[in-house]
Amino acid sequence: QKEVEQDPGPLSVPEGAIVSLNCTYSNSAFQYFMWYRQYSRKGPELLMYTYSSGNKEDGRFTAQVDKSSKYISLFIRDSQPSDSATYLCAMKYDSWGKLQFGAGTQVVVTP
Amino acid sequence: EAGVVQSPRYKIIEKKQPVAFWCNPISGHNTLYWYRQNLGQGPELLIRYENEEAVDDSQLPKDRFSAERLKGVDSTLKIQPAELGDSAVYLCASSLAGTNYNEQFFGPGTRLTVL
Repeated sequence: QKEVEQDPGPLSVPEGAIVSLNCTYSNSAFQYFMWYRQYSRKGPELLMYTYSSGNKEDGRFTAQVDKSSKYISLFIRDSQPSDSATYLCAMKYDSWGKLQFGAGTQVVVTP
Repeated sequence: EAGVVQSPRYKIIEKKQPVAFWCNPISGHNTLYWYRQNLGQGPELLIRYENEEAVDDSQLPKDRFSAERLKGVDSTLKIQPAELGDSAVYLCASSLAGTNYNEQFFGPGTRLTVL
């Protein structure tokens, strides 16, 4: 069993809808939680970062961490076709630890 | 500010041939990472450098893979000989010491196809 599980999708939503993404993990030692966006033929870019539990909002993006359930989420409001990409969750034990990635969820936002 | 630069962007080789990838990190970033991303998977760390020193190479298949980071700036990842299973995207990333969560910035990757 992988340490970080993520549904690969694809997840198809109409423009303007809320995109809901999530990951589960098995190791309670993870403290840093990230969401990366990866466009086709590009490297991942950091979208959101959360330390420990709680919520974080940045524009149309909201990240949530529930350590008791070992579950993290990313919500994208008012989705746009430009949000079509693969979204990767990632986590690590400490600031300098190895990033453990999920498999990524492909999101398609249709006009 | 220029991002992480990688070359070549694409490489097609036959199995048993050698191949090398080059990475130039963001200026001033002392930590450099090489990842491998298989199709439909997230990146997996191969090796991490702190300046010139490889501090985590536990996932690097040392029988055929090698890496170096001379002078603590550019880095080269080599595979010799390549196998069919090495087909993947090889990503380089860099980060700056002293930040509170050590954000990693990724390059566009080198897409390797082994025939």
